[in-house]
Amino acid sequence: QQQVKQSPQSLIVQKGGIPIINCAYENTAFDYFPWYQQFPGKGPALLIAIRPDVSEKKEGRFTISFNKSAKQFSLHIMDSQPGDSATYFCAASPGSTLGRLYFGRGTQLTVWP
Amino acid sequence: GAGVSQSPSNKVTEKGKDVELRCDPISGHTALYWYRQSLGQGLEFLIYFQGNSAPDKSGLPSDRFSAERTGGSVSTLTIQRTQQEDSAVYLCASSQSPVQQETQYFGPGTRLLVL
Repeated sequence: QQQVKQSPQSLIVQKGGIPIINCAYENTAFDYFPWYQQFPGKGPALLIAIRPDVSEKKEGRFTISFNKSAKQFSLHIMDSQPGDSATYFCAASPGSTLGRLYFGRGTQLTVWP
Repeated sequence: GAGVSQSPSNKVTEKGKDVELRCDPISGHTALYWYRQSLGQGLEFLIYFQGNSAPDKSGLPSDRFSAERTGGSVSTLTIQRTQQEDSAVYLCASSQSPVQQETQYFGPGTRLLVL
């Protein structure tokens, strides 16, 4: 059973567009929500993470929006660039299970020049 | 500094053979994780080591899978009697400590193909 549901599976935008990737969860014990970026042939790398005590976190062109009541969170990429083309994974972790991450299935983003 | 390294990068084996995959975590990282990445399936947790504590093996899909971590550093994931459905990318990650807010740093993975 997929504990973190991610959509869309793939996304194509033009340079400068704002792709949005959405994730939803059911387990109310989750209290840490990271996003990972993965380029072909590489392992995932942490992009940005949020705790549920804030509704939004921004780092550079990347923003996480968090809706605790809806149990949803999303990644927005402002002014997207071709170099942002990668697979993005959302994840979640409960405080009671130190370290282990539950991942979404990933979104393959393509940014056309 | 050096990141997480994994070997081999690619492994092709025949159904029924045993394989060993190796992970060298970042020096000083106490927590080590193994995940499996299948096409379109995201990352599936397999096993987690923290210091000298008993590992969390709750994600291992069958008793053909086992892992060990020697000396609190290098880890080996062993798959016995491989099956075609074991074909995937096996990723290792480490973190400085097991607390959730510590970043997990991933290696490049081992791509396993079982013929």
